[in-house]
Amino acid sequence: SQQGEEDPQALSIQEGENATMNCSYKTSINNLQWYRQNSGRGLVHLILIRSNEREKHSGRLRVTLDTSKKSSSLLITASRAADTASYFCADNFGNEKLTFGTGTRLTIIP
Amino acid sequence: EPEVTQTPSHQVTQMGQEVILRCVPISNHLYFYWYRQILGQKVEFLVSFYNNEISEKSEIFDDQFSVERPDGSNFTLKIRSTKLEDSAMYFCATRDRNYNEQFFGPGTRLTVL
Repeated sequence: SQQGEEDPQALSIQEGENATMNCSYKTSINNLQWYRQNSGRGLVHLILIRSNEREKHSGRLRVTLDTSKKSSSLLITASRAADTASYFCADNFGNEKLTFGTGTRLTIIP
Repeated sequence: EPEVTQTPSHQVTQMGQEVILRCVPISNHLYFYWYRQILGQKVEFLVSFYNNEISEKSEIFDDQFSVERPDGSNFTLKIRSTKLEDSAMYFCATRDRNYNEQFFGPGTRLTVL
């Protein structure tokens, strides 16, 4: 199955701490994208990392990719209450469609 | 910053009725997609559309579903005869031909009674 699995399923941390969530697939990653979804809302594109990249930064976000383990990590530094959301990874595996993971529900405690 | 927009934000319909969900893509984007998310579940791909034709579709996208770009700007998803299990958030996404990022709209929450 190509379906991604995020880990952990849920994460609660204190405001100001760093949050790390992981995503793994059973097949090779192509263009891995991370999205954020606030409760009941749309998907906000955060960052894309290509299979030939190992690390990428965007503001407080840092994404790493380990192709040998077919996994990626999203790190949010200095978390804020507004970061409370569900985070999903998705890849297209060379096709048009994105296959999404199960998501990590992140709660930032003020 | 350009955004994908969708209308309506919430649609309530009776089982068996037809619904049309609308999306306005980001200008100059040529690849269009519909996804859905049943409450508490994963985001699922429905269909991709390029050059005025379907390029890929999932098993969910059966004969009850259709897509079109009627006027060169809007991109629509039609469900001919809605079922209870069609209740979900429906997301439109678009991308530029030169990039792999797909940008999603805010979604339409469809409730079938």
